[in-house]
Amino acid sequence: AQKVTQAQTEISVVEKEDVTLDCVYETRDTTYYLFWYKQPPSGELVFLIRRNSFDEQNEISGRYSWNFQKSTSSFNFTITASQVVDSAVYFCALSHLNTGTASKLTFGTGTRLQVTL
Amino acid sequence: NAGVTQTPKFQVLKTGQSMTLQCAQDMNHEYMSWYRQDPGMGLRLIHYSVGAGITDQGEVPNGYNVSRSTTEDFPLRLLSAAPSQTSVYFCASSYGGEIGDTEAFFGQGTRLTVV
Repeated sequence: AQKVTQAQTEISVVEKEDVTLDCVYETRDTTYYLFWYKQPPSGELVFLIRRNSFDEQNEISGRYSWNFQKSTSSFNFTITASQVVDSAVYFCALSHLNTGTASKLTFGTGTRLQVTL
Repeated sequence: NAGVTQTPKFQVLKTGQSMTLQCAQDMNHEYMSWYRQDPGMGLRLIHYSVGAGITDQGEVPNGYNVSRSTTEDFPLRLLSAAPSQTSVYFCASSYGGEIGDTEAFFGQGTRLTVV
């Protein structure tokens, strides 16, 4: 069985602080994909990143960065210099090993990030 | 492109009523799925489809039926609504075809309340 754990239920930071959202996963598959989605207060799900299990390079996109460590089964997400607009619930998700993996995801329970002035 | 369209956006049902949540995508995606989102539980997979005529159960399929007669549509049926089915429902689609297609595109969600 696959499992994604986001132990941080809620995080509050002051604007401009850096914040890291943790994601730990369990899978017996050797090939898998990891995702991060953002759910702002308006409720839609916004895709942030996909990472496959063969690529352990960290990725940076503007203020966002992701640290994938296969050895610890973690895929952590860091926001640098947080802004109020970053306030949202963030979900980490793991794909199942078959075609169409992006539509068959195991989600973590989410981390609610509150950024205040 | 409209992407993934879910209707209705809000619905209140009485216990025992039936209804269909509609989901349509215009991206010619092979793969479609339904999730429910409950507080503190993230999103859980209800049913999914890898193509027209092919469906399978996800993690929480009880109380729900699906069918996939066309590539574009993937309706979710509640046969006899129960208060435990109060939730936000999301439909998603993705290209499929090869392992690791890019991302799932989600609809805006349907907020269902069963009283």
